[in-house]
Amino acid sequence: DADVTQTPRNRITKTGKRIMLECSQTKGHDRMYWYRQDPGLGLRLIYYSFDVKDINKGEISDGYSVSRQAQAKFSLSLESAIPNQTALYFCATSDLNVQDTQYFGPGTRLTVL
Amino acid sequence: QKEVEQNSGPLSVPEGAIASLNCTYSDRVSQSFFWYRQYSGKSPELIMSIYSNGDKEDGRFTAQLNKASQYVSLLIRDSQPSDSATYLCAVGAGSYQLTFGKGTKLSVIP
Repeated sequence: DADVTQTPRNRITKTGKRIMLECSQTKGHDRMYWYRQDPGLGLRLIYYSFDVKDINKGEISDGYSVSRQAQAKFSLSLESAIPNQTALYFCATSDLNVQDTQYFGPGTRLTVL
Repeated sequence: QKEVEQNSGPLSVPEGAIASLNCTYSDRVSQSFFWYRQYSGKSPELIMSIYSNGDKEDGRFTAQLNKASQYVSLLIRDSQPSDSATYLCAVGAGSYQLTFGKGTKLSVIP
């Protein structure tokens, strides 16, 4: 079984809709991250969480919100999706005992029409 | 603004040759350095980490770090067509956040 899972894997939605992307991990890691990847722009950090009570904005948090429901679950929401949020979204985790090393989930391909 | 620079490529090498991928970074206090491999449409997969100056070898992969020059590289020996992918360089400063380069696309020609 995969250590980091993301649902859904693919999603097509319309402008203005609310979307939630979910991430679960069985690695036992404290830290979780959400990234988006766009062609030519690389990976950009949206939000990160060091534990259930600690949520931090990343480089591009506008238009997004997150919820850390448990140590193993970290959700990303788009309250009102817009076309320029079309991208590949990755969840990642890291262990506080292994400096900076991050492991990625399989990704969600989101298309906003 | 922390920056990680990579040549976007594509870098083409014949099968069996050595592929050399390079990365420079701007933050002098960077402490950890990673190489990820990403196949098209897939997630980044960690293949090497390095924390100290010098070389680190793992199978056909060798990571090289020179903190004075703010330079990290990845050598892939005996390149195979299955190595064809985009390679991402990532740099950390001990804050549990990483800064990623935009990646170098490698193509290994049979």
